[in-house]
Formats: sequence, structure tokens, C-alpha cells
Amino acid sequence: GENVEQHPSTLSVQEGDSAVIKCTYSDSASNYFPWYKQELGKRPQLIIDIRSNVGEKKDQRIAVTLNKTAKHFSLHITETQPEDSAVYFCAANRGSTLGRLYFGRGTQLTVWP
Amino acid sequence: DTGVSQDPRHKITKRGQNVTFRCDPISEHNRLYWYRQTLGQGPEFLTYFQNEAQLEKSRLLSDRFSAERPKGSFSTLEIQRTEQGDSAMYLCASSLVGGAENEQFFGPGTRLTVL
Repeated sequence: GENVEQHPSTLSVQEGDSAVIKCTYSDSASNYFPWYKQELGKRPQLIIDIRSNVGEKKDQRIAVTLNKTAKHFSLHITETQPEDSAVYFCAANRGSTLGRLYFGRGTQLTVWP
Repeated sequence: DTGVSQDPRHKITKRGQNVTFRCDPISEHNRLYWYRQTLGQGPEFLTYFQNEAQLEKSRLLSDRFSAERPKGSFSTLEIQRTEQGDSAMYLCASSLVGGAENEQFFGPGTRLTVL
């Protein structure tokens, strides 16, 4: 099965700085890579995703890049704000072919004002 | 609220008791997933349904766990003879296969504590 590794496990940045979280995956058939944000005691919420037919996707202050050859993808948050503080999870699956998502272990992001 | 809902939100039980959780997916979604999340970990897949059919079960899903989705709408997850190791957050998610996107939307979870 798929194995998703995520780094770092914790990340502290100053407000206004950028944050980058990296994930690697093992299954070359994976083609869908979502990122979820989970605030304490809340449900995971999808913040951005990317499919294997593109290399980068942006949505305001967040962006995701994908390198299929190296089997890694990254989340980039620019101009961080204290409300960005949360646990971020990357995940991967084969899209509609195989339903389950394989999650990384999460990154606790803390943005200091 | 048109999102995924779960009931109960919290459950405390004694070891050896049976518990049942319910998940109501987004109404038009045909896939429903169960995940388990322990502290400091990402969600781990348990099982999923497409309509009424249970298409995959994880090895994590021991004989004490059973899930149903009898009418292709809501689903229940039952744990028999609970053990302390079953303490976790049980998350449900739903998605629409065949639509333009394949995102999984999560419910708020049921936090199970086994004493």
C-alpha cells in the first residue's frame, strides 16, 4: 500500500513569514494529493489539493507543488497569520480508483504574532 | 447544516461494552468512509462504502468492528467488547464519485473513551 511521510512534525514561524511542509509518497499510481487543516478539537478541513496532471496550484496565500518524478509534494503558506496555527495533514490516493486516503502524521504549525 | 454529521460527539464507556456510532454524509454523496485518529497521528483508514456496498476494509478493522450502510445513506460503526486501545476519535467522511472533484469532506468525529 501507499506510505506517506510528512516533515517537519512541528514548525514555528513569525507572523508574516512563510511556512513550508513537505510530504513524500511511495505509490507511483497515486494521483490525488489533498492537504487538510485541523484546528484543535475540530474536523479536518480540505484547504487545497492537487492532481498529478499539474505541477503547482495556488489559492491566495497557499500553494501546493508536486514533483511526480521524485514522488514528493509540498504545501507553501505565505504571509502567515496567527489563525494559520493548526495541524496540517497531507494525504494521497489513487483518486476514484481507490477510495481510501493515506495520511501523513501531521505538522503542528504555530505562528507567533 | 448540510455537511457531514456524526452522533454522538462523545462517548465514554467501560471496557467490554458495545458502542455504536452514526454518520450522516452529505446527501448526494455516494461514498462514505470511516477513519480513526489517535492523538498526534493522521487519520487511519478503517473502511468505506460506495452506496450500500462495503468496498474495502482495513486490517485495522478487527472482528470486533462492523460497519453498515443499509440504504446507501447513513452509516453505523459498531465496536463490540470495547478495549482501552479503542479509545480514539472516529471520523466519518463522504465524497461524490463521478463528480468533477473527488474531495472527502469530514464530519466532526465521535470521541470514544474506554475506561
